[in-house]
Amino acid sequence: QQQVKQSPQSLIVQKGGISIINCAYENTAFDYFPWYQQFPGKGPALLIAIRPDVSEKKEGRFTISFNKSAKQFSLHIMDSQPGDSATYFCAAGQSDYKLSFGAGTTVTVRA
Amino acid sequence: DTAVSQTPKYLVTQMGNDKSIKCEQNLGHDTMYWYKQDSKKFLKIMFSYNNKELIINETVPNRFSPKSPDKAHLNLHINSLELGDSAVYFCASSQPPGVERGYTFGSGTRLTVV
Repeated sequence: QQQVKQSPQSLIVQKGGISIINCAYENTAFDYFPWYQQFPGKGPALLIAIRPDVSEKKEGRFTISFNKSAKQFSLHIMDSQPGDSATYFCAAGQSDYKLSFGAGTTVTVRA
Repeated sequence: DTAVSQTPKYLVTQMGNDKSIKCEQNLGHDTMYWYKQDSKKFLKIMFSYNNKELIINETVPNRFSPKSPDKAHLNLHINSLELGDSAVYFCASSQPPGVERGYTFGSGTRLTVV
């Protein structure tokens, strides 16, 4: 049973465009929501994370938007670059150490 | 200096064999994990150790046995390998909840069972 639902499965964006990936969760005990970026042949790497007391967090071109009442959060990649082409995973965690991951979104940025 | 290192990077073996994957972290983290990534890239937790103590043991066949000799090492031994065990296995480490909980992943071990 997947605890975090992620969409879309894949997306293609032109260089300079905005990529948007959405995630939804059910477990209200989740209190930590990270996003990971994975390149082929590499392990996932932490990109940005948010806690539910904040509605938005921005780091460079990457922004997390968080809607606690809707139990949804999203990643926006502004001014997408070819180097952003990767698989992105949302995740959610609570105090039991375990992170539950979404199914991943493959982002392709066309030059 | 690699933060979380796994060996081997690739492992090709026949059904029925026993194999081990090793993981070491030099971040000083207390908690280590094994995750399995299937062919559709889905990441699923298998085990977690905190300071050498097993704290998460998901529904994994008992052919999989983790071992943590100290808090910097977490190994995974797999007995009687099956075709369905083919996947990429990731080791990760983190600080405990309450502190920054971002995982640091290794680069993975691609296991192929033939």
